[in-house]
Amino acid sequence: DQQVKQNSPSLRVQEGRISILNCDYTNSMFDYFLWYKKYPAEGPTFLISISSIKDKNEDGRFTVFLNKSAKHLSLHIVPSQPGDSAVYFCAASKGEYGQNFVFGPGTRLSVLP
Amino acid sequence: NAGVTQTPKFRILKIGQSMTLQCTQDMNHNYMYWYRQDPGMGLKLIYYSVGAGITDKGEVPNGYNVSRSTTEDFPLRLELAAPSQTSVYFCASSDLRTGSTDTQYFGPGTRLTVL
Repeated sequence: DQQVKQNSPSLRVQEGRISILNCDYTNSMFDYFLWYKKYPAEGPTFLISISSIKDKNEDGRFTVFLNKSAKHLSLHIVPSQPGDSAVYFCAASKGEYGQNFVFGPGTRLSVLP
Repeated sequence: NAGVTQTPKFRILKIGQSMTLQCTQDMNHNYMYWYRQDPGMGLKLIYYSVGAGITDKGEVPNGYNVSRSTTEDFPLRLELAAPSQTSVYFCASSDLRTGSTDTQYFGPGTRLTVL
């Protein structure tokens, strides 16, 4: 029973366009959400986070949107660059404690030149 | 500043063998974690530690043991390897203090195959 779902295993986007990665969760107690990026043969690296008291958080080209009523969050990358090609993991937690993080299965983003 | 390092990068074990996956961080982080990632699945927490001498079970601890004698090191022990333990193992650390965000820093992973 997956509490955090990323229903698109892969996504292909043209360079310069917007990439939108989606994540759905089932536990209404989750109040903290993160995105991690992972390159092959490396560990995940933290990208951006959002608390449930917000509905949007921006960091440069990356924006995370949270829709609590729909239990849905999305990561927007604008503009997409070939270096953004990686696997993106969504994670959710009750509280900002790492031992509570629940990770989704990931979406592989390919940005085509 | 190397961050989080893991050894070995790859290992093949026979059923019933034992091994220790090493993890070291040089950021003086108090929290450390071990995750496993199976194909098509998200990371699952095996064990974590909030400081030297303190460890606790995560979601999938069966078949594993950990210890934390120093701030820097957090080894993961497999006593009787089973094919179900074939996975990629990631160690992570974080410096959660009051009011801060728990950003985890991950090592590069150990790919373990049990035959």
